This record gives sequence, C-alpha cells and structure tokens, in this order.
Amino acid sequence: GENVGLHLPTLSVQEGDNSIINCAYSNSASDYFIWYKQESGKGPQFIIDIRSNMDKRQGQRVTVLLNKTVKHLSLQIAATQPGDSAVYFCAESYTNTGNQFYFGTGTSLTVIP
Amino acid sequence: KAGVTQTPRYLIKTRGQQVTLSCSPISGHRSVSWYQQTPGQGLQFLFEYFSETQRNKGNFPGRFSGRQFSNSRSEMNVSTLELGDSALYLCASRTYNEQFFGPGTRLTVL
Repeated sequence: GENVGLHLPTLSVQEGDNSIINCAYSNSASDYFIWYKQESGKGPQFIIDIRSNMDKRQGQRVTVLLNKTVKHLSLQIAATQPGDSAVYFCAESYTNTGNQFYFGTGTSLTVIP
Repeated sequence: KAGVTQTPRYLIKTRGQQVTLSCSPISGHRSVSWYQQTPGQGLQFLFEYFSETQRNKGNFPGRFSGRQFSNSRSEMNVSTLELGDSALYLCASRTYNEQFFGPGTRLTVL
C-alpha cells in the first residue's frame, strides 16, 4: 500500500490542552484526506476530511491542516478532553485508484486528567 | 440514518474452517469496502464493491473473497482459515468521498 505514515505512535496531553497529531503521506497525487478516531472495541469514526484544493478545514474543536508542499497532514484538537483518548488515523485517496483509501498505522492519544 | 452494521460482532473459528461476514451499508451508499485490522498493522484494504462489482482489490490471497448484493449489502468470505487471519474485519460504506465504518467483526482463529 501507500506510505501513509505517522510521525509519533503515541501522544499524551493534559486535559484542556490542545493536541496536534501529524501524518505524512508519500503520494503527491492524493487529493482527498480523512481523519478517523478509533476507540477501543469500536470501528473508526469519521472526524473531518479535506480536499487537496484546501489548506485548512475546521470542525467542532478540530482543525485539519494540509501542506501539499511537504505532503503533511495534521489534526488539531482544541481543549482536549478525556473522551478524545483514542487512536487517530489519517487516510488518503486519489482518483486514479478509484478513490481507494490508504491508512497509516495510527497515533494513540492519551488525555491525562 | 442508521449506520453501517456488521454481523456477527465476534467469531471464533479453528484453522482450516471458513467464515462469512456480513455488512449492511448506510442506506443509499452503493460502495462497500472491507479492511483487515491487526495490532501494529493499521488498516489493510481488502476490496471494494460498487453496484455488485468488485472495483478495487488489495494484496490479499485468493482465500479472501467478497460479493455485493443488489441491495448493497456485502459479504466477505475467508476460506481455509489460518492463525494469522485473526483480526478485526471492518466494513465501510461511502457516498462519493466520505467513508463511514461499521463496528467490525472480531475474528479469532484457534
């Protein structure tokens, strides 16, 4: 599969702080990206997406930043809460594979109360 | 709208057996993808079905197969199970881009 990698396998943050989860991708042709959150025993939950014609997209407490120059994606979580503790995956896709998604191995976020 | 549903949620099989997993996509979604998730491996793409046709296929042996019915429900089958097939099998459905996952089926091969 594609090399959709993550810079850090684990991340610990204090409750109330902001979290930043990073993701590197290798295919410059990728044109669509999704961040997922996976809690223990559950399937991945869609958080936010971004297309390659955008640099930034904001949701509720989350922001995704896309830097196509260095092929880097980040997820920022504001005011991190204990319920944010989970594994976060980034996924990329590009049209010439029929929008097949490629996933990184995930970053485990632990929120310290 | 109801989310993606998968049955069964848990399965225990022995080596050499076969297994069939089922997935019902979100209403209106015609694309269904299957993934295998194992510790440390992330999500590995198995295949995608769209309108009853396999549209994409990952790098898995032929023991892994799937199909999609006219109502978009999908099944995947694994024959001649091996210990290494123990994993969480996830189904995802989508519209054009956004992809939503089901809770998964936890398969344990003994």
